[in-house]
Amino acid sequence: AQSVTQLDSHVSVSEGTPVLLRCNYSSSYSPSLFWYVQHPNKGLQLLLKYTSAATLVKGINGFEAEFKKSETSFHLTKPSAHMSDAAEYFCVVTPMDSSYKLIFGSGTRLLVRP
Amino acid sequence: DAGVTQSPTHLIKTRGQQVTLRCSPISGHKSVSWYQQVLGQGPQFIFQYYEKEERGRGNFPDRFSARQFPNYSSELNVNALLLGDSALYLCASRSNTGETSYEQYFGPGTRLTVT
Repeated sequence: AQSVTQLDSHVSVSEGTPVLLRCNYSSSYSPSLFWYVQHPNKGLQLLLKYTSAATLVKGINGFEAEFKKSETSFHLTKPSAHMSDAAEYFCVVTPMDSSYKLIFGSGTRLLVRP
Repeated sequence: DAGVTQSPTHLIKTRGQQVTLRCSPISGHKSVSWYQQVLGQGPQFIFQYYEKEERGRGNFPDRFSARQFPNYSSELNVNALLLGDSALYLCASRSNTGETSYEQYFGPGTRLTVT
């Protein structure tokens, strides 16, 4: 069965420093992978997606992620954190045999210090 | 264009009661999915409807049911509410066509509190 594991429940960075949110996936075949962000009291917003095209995926707001099959990882990065990046981030996988279903990780809360 | 809309925003119910949550997808989207997000956890898949038919169901009891209407809006019903049903219920719509067919767009959610 497909699943994702977010390795950190909380990540704290200073404004202007790089962001790294880690995600490992488990899948018997090449999955579709996503990162979603959830700001307090708001719905989920798609940051970026990987669907077997380029392994380095660029998303909105300066975020990007790299699909590494050998490491079964899909880590989210951003060169320089902004205060507005503080939110909950979810790594998500969609099984190839049921593409309508999103399987979410447990989330990583990003804190940005001034 | 309007995004996914959900109503009501907040709801407080008593154990044993029944609740109906509503969702309107993005115009042109024929697929609607429902998710439950308990505080501190990631969303869990409940149902997916496409062209008014149930196409997928998550690991939820039969107290949970849903339907989709001819205009592609959807309702989620939960009977015999339990305290554990307290959660944010999210609706997502999807186009099912073209390069964006994998993308699901979420509404702001309905916060259900069961007392």
